Amino acid sequence: EAQVTQNPRYLITVTGKKLTVTCSQNMNHEYMSWYRQDPGLGLRQIYYSMNVEVTDKGDVPEGYKVSRKEKRNFPLILESPSPNQTSLYFCASSLSRGRFYGYTFGSGTRLTVV
Amino acid sequence: ELKVEQNPLFLSMQEGKNYTIYCNYSTTSDRLYWYRQDPGKSLESLFVLLSNGAVKQEGRLMASLDTKARLSTLHITAAVHDLSATYFCAVSDRDDKIIFGKGTRLHILP
Repeated sequence: EAQVTQNPRYLITVTGKKLTVTCSQNMNHEYMSWYRQDPGLGLRQIYYSMNVEVTDKGDVPEGYKVSRKEKRNFPLILESPSPNQTSLYFCASSLSRGRFYGYTFGSGTRLTVV
Repeated sequence: ELKVEQNPLFLSMQEGKNYTIYCNYSTTSDRLYWYRQDPGKSLESLFVLLSNGAVKQEGRLMASLDTKARLSTLHITAAVHDLSATYFCAVSDRDDKIIFGKGTRLHILP
């Protein structure tokens, strides 16, 4: 089944404790992206990757890191999480940015930083 | 900078009624997307509109795109409770960056 898999689904952590949210897709998509969703603010792009070893900042990259060492995986890293990073996070992928026919979204990760 | 505005942001309606959600965007684009999100769930792609005048229909939902007016509409015909969800439009800018609207929370009363 074609899908984007995120883990974990739920995570509660403490301020300053490094964490990684994993994202993997099995559709051979070139383009992958991370969004955060907050009430009243909609979805905001954190980082995106157009292909292996190519990543770039979205609208709200502060406090986040990403890597794209393999085509299928695009982990989101919070080196020192803070409470303002409490949010619902989505990973999404698409065939390519230039031929964009819509995203396939992961199931989401609800992160709480206390 | 591309901005995407949806209205209304919240809509409560009776079953059986018709209504329209509007999506306006600020700069030229010919690609627009509609997504549905159920509470606590992920986003599901509904429609991809790739040209001026494009119209797509799925069940009780119909989406259209007018690139000259920079407007897309999502029309709901004879609403049923199962259509209660949040609906997002998203637009590609000239650099293929995708910008989402804030979403329209639709609540259909039985």
